[in-house]
Amino acid sequence: NAGVTQTPKFRILKIGQSMTLQCTQDMNHNYMYWYRQDPGMGLKLIYYSVGAGITDKGEVPNGYNVSRSTTEDFPLRLELAAPSQTSVYFCASKGTGKRETQYFGPGTRLLVL
Amino acid sequence: GENVEQHPSTLSVQEGDSAVIKCTYSDSASNYFPWYKQELGKRPQLIIDIRSNVGEKKDQRIAVTLNKTAKHFSLHITETQPEDSAVYFCAASIGRLTFGTGTRLTIIP
Repeated sequence: NAGVTQTPKFRILKIGQSMTLQCTQDMNHNYMYWYRQDPGMGLKLIYYSVGAGITDKGEVPNGYNVSRSTTEDFPLRLELAAPSQTSVYFCASKGTGKRETQYFGPGTRLLVL
Repeated sequence: GENVEQHPSTLSVQEGDSAVIKCTYSDSASNYFPWYKQELGKRPQLIIDIRSNVGEKKDQRIAVTLNKTAKHFSLHITETQPEDSAVYFCAASIGRLTFGTGTRLTIIP
């Protein structure tokens, strides 16, 4: 299993541009999450999904959108990039049942200039 | 919503000594408390976790204790080694994880 994969690894955007951060997991996990991590800070939840077709806002959803058309994929969309969205973005997934371990992807470093 | 506070923000210990990181949470309904280790430029990785029906859990040199009454939990690392140097995050969960702000642990050889 590849686990949780993310693309791209690094991207530079100009203010106002749009992009989609890709996240895929091959563990058949129902739950998927998007976090952002600003330098020297903890992780803030942007959006999450409890299954295909179901998404919900987290702590910091403004400026982002998500979709979940399949169990495997959970893309994050930035419509109008702003400097405040410069961050490292982590996708994570977890299965159901007693183990609640979230498995993280390698992250996407985004710089908005 | 849940609020998690973590202390200290930085911690330096001599190799071989013990390190303790403490977290408090606000929502008494939280029932799952994982600890993640994040090395520079890498993803967070789970190192140990504890559920609310357990007071203590140990895995080799790492242990976690939970005090539900006081709503705090702690990470203990014994016999520290240089490879323990990293940022450590605690989290509390009522279905969704709320993370602390992290502790940068430096092991001094």
